[in-house]
Amino acid sequence: DAGVIQSPRHEVTEMGQEVTLRCKPISGHDYLFWYRQTMMRGLELLIYFNNNVPIDDSGMPEDRFSAKMPNASFSTLKIQPSEPRDSAVYFCASSLQGIINEQFFGPGTRLTVL
Amino acid sequence: AQSVSQHNHHVILSEAASLELGCNYSYGGTVNLFWYVQYPGQHLQLLLKYFSGDPLVKGIKGFEAEFIKSKFSFNLRKPSVQWSDTAEYFCAVISNNAGNMLTFGGGTRLMVKP
Repeated sequence: DAGVIQSPRHEVTEMGQEVTLRCKPISGHDYLFWYRQTMMRGLELLIYFNNNVPIDDSGMPEDRFSAKMPNASFSTLKIQPSEPRDSAVYFCASSLQGIINEQFFGPGTRLTVL
Repeated sequence: AQSVSQHNHHVILSEAASLELGCNYSYGGTVNLFWYVQYPGQHLQLLLKYFSGDPLVKGIKGFEAEFIKSKFSFNLRKPSVQWSDTAEYFCAVISNNAGNMLTFGGGTRLMVKP
């Protein structure tokens, strides 16, 4: 298996622009997680899905953030409009049959908002 | 508040030195414990995990961790570090008292001098 795939790996955009991050989980995994990593706040869980359904989005910082999972093999995290403080590395992870099981992380998307 | 604490933010060691990274959590209930490693520029990878049974857990690359329930600790150890162990190490906890959400500690940056 190719593991969790994220795109793009790097994104540089200007404040106010819409940003869309993409994730393909490991085939067969039924849980998908979005995390944000910053120097100041470390790793934060933003939202997670089970069988394509959002379960807990309490970590989503603002209404500017939204996430979707239209099918079992694809998820997006969208920021609209983006702000400089959104600059971070965004990780997607997936796991099989339960949130207590090992999560497999993607390579991350490094987002820079100017 | 429920939290995961890694008290050592930066550790510098020479090759062949012994390593111990502290991890304490404040959750009650049943916990599952993890150590993840993030090598420079890479994604998080699982080093080891504890769900139940023997509290001394062996992981990959010679790492081990000991779960001490009375101390709410899950410290990571390696008897002899190598330059290639230079990375950031994250302790993570899932507790059924905290909605079964994976919560990460702030991370410890380890630098091993050759």
